[in-house]
Amino acid sequence: AQSVTQLGSHVSVSEGALVLLRCNYSSSVPPYLFWYVQYPNQGLQLLLKYTSAATLVKGINGFEAEFKKSETSFHLTKPSAHMSDAAEYFCAVRGDTGRRALTFGSGTRLQVQP
Amino acid sequence: DVKVTQSSRYLVKRTGEKVFLECVQDMDHENMFWYRQDPGLGLRLIYFSYDVKMKEKGDIPEGYSVSREKKERFSLILESASTNQTSMYLCASSSQPGQIYGYTFGSGTRLTVV
Repeated sequence: AQSVTQLGSHVSVSEGALVLLRCNYSSSVPPYLFWYVQYPNQGLQLLLKYTSAATLVKGINGFEAEFKKSETSFHLTKPSAHMSDAAEYFCAVRGDTGRRALTFGSGTRLQVQP
Repeated sequence: DVKVTQSSRYLVKRTGEKVFLECVQDMDHENMFWYRQDPGLGLRLIYFSYDVKMKEKGDIPEGYSVSREKKERFSLILESASTNQTSMYLCASSSQPGQIYGYTFGSGTRLTVV
């Protein structure tokens, strides 16, 4: 079965600092991987996705993620944090072959300090 | 703008009540999903549907059922609400194949069972 592990339930950075949110996956098939963001009192919004094309994926709001098969990782980064980046971030992986649902990680809450 | 609309943002129900959560999408998507979101647990799949009148159990289907009579509408039913079903419920939809294109989420329904 597919699974996702997000290391760190809370991450705090200063405004202007590098953002690094970690995601490791387990998959028995070539994975499709996603990062979603959830702002307070809202649903989830797609940030970016990896679907077996380029291993470095660029998303919205200056975020990017790199797929590393050897490390089974798909970490999310942003060079310079903004206050508006404060939110909860979820990593997700495609479901088992034949199952059409994504499996989500437990989430990482990002705080941005002024 | 394409949308997934959940009929209620907040609901308060009594233990033992039958509860209906409604979700409507206007994107002609084949797949629809219900997740619940709890702190520290991320999103957990309750049920999903890949066609009208078709449904499959997710990871935590106990105490829930679903209905999909029309392509655009996917309802989650709590047969007899219990306090441990107090949670945020998120509906999502995707086109075929959903694993590549990701999901579009509704804004969520925060259900409190008292």
